[in-house]
Amino acid sequence: DQQVKQNSPSLSVQEGRISILNCDYTNSMFDYFLWYKKYPAEGPTFLISISSIKDKNEDGRFTVFLNKSAKHLSLHIVPSQPGDSAVYFCAASVNSGNTPLVFGKGTRLSVIA
Amino acid sequence: GAGVSQSPSNKVTEKGKDVELRCDPISGHTALYWYRQRLGQGLEFLIYFQGNSAPDKSGLPSDRFSAERTGGSVSTLTIQRTQQEDSAVYLCASSSGGWSQPQHFGDGTRLSIL
Repeated sequence: DQQVKQNSPSLSVQEGRISILNCDYTNSMFDYFLWYKKYPAEGPTFLISISSIKDKNEDGRFTVFLNKSAKHLSLHIVPSQPGDSAVYFCAASVNSGNTPLVFGKGTRLSVIA
Repeated sequence: GAGVSQSPSNKVTEKGKDVELRCDPISGHTALYWYRQRLGQGLEFLIYFQGNSAPDKSGLPSDRFSAERTGGSVSTLTIQRTQQEDSAVYLCASSSGGWSQPQHFGDGTRLSIL
C-alpha cells in the first residue's frame, strides 16, 4: 500500500516555464515532508522540506506547498532550467521527522530548451 | 572525501552468494541510513544507525539482510544467500542528526543477482 503517491511518472516543461510536481499521501499522521532530486547514477540530493505547521516554504526557485486537508503537496520550480531535468522524489515522515521517511516512486522532469 | 562514499559502485553475483556493501559517511555525521531502490520504485528504508543507540532495523526485508556500523563511522550491509529479487540499487545516506535533518546520499551500489 503506497502511503506516498506521485501519480505522474514523467513531466515535460519548456525552459523558463513553471514546473509543478505533485505528491499525495494517505497517512494523516505525516507531519514532515521533503523533496529530493536525483540525477542518473547519482544519489538523491535534498531540495526543500516543509513541516505541517506551515503551508508554504520557499527557497530560491523552489517552493513547496502543503494542503493538509487534501493530503497533497506540490513542488513548484520557476523558472525551470535544463539542469533541473532529473527524477524528483517526495518523502514524508511522522513524529516531526523522527521516524523513517516514506518515499514516493518519483517523477521524471524533463526541461526542454 | 567530502561526500558519502559507497563501494563497490556495481556488483554482479550469482544467486545464493553472499554480498557485502560498504558505506563511508560524511565525517562527523552521527546518523547513517541504508535504502534500497528497485527498478521503477521509490526508495525503501532498510536500517538506520544513530550514534550509539541500537539501530532501527524495522525496514530489513528478511533475516538474510544485516548491517553493522563500526566505530560510529563506516557501515557494511550484508545480504546472505542472495535472491534475484535482491537486485536493486542500494543507497547509503548520512546526516548530522535524526530523520528531520537533510540526508546526504552516496551514489549507490547497483547489485545484480544472476
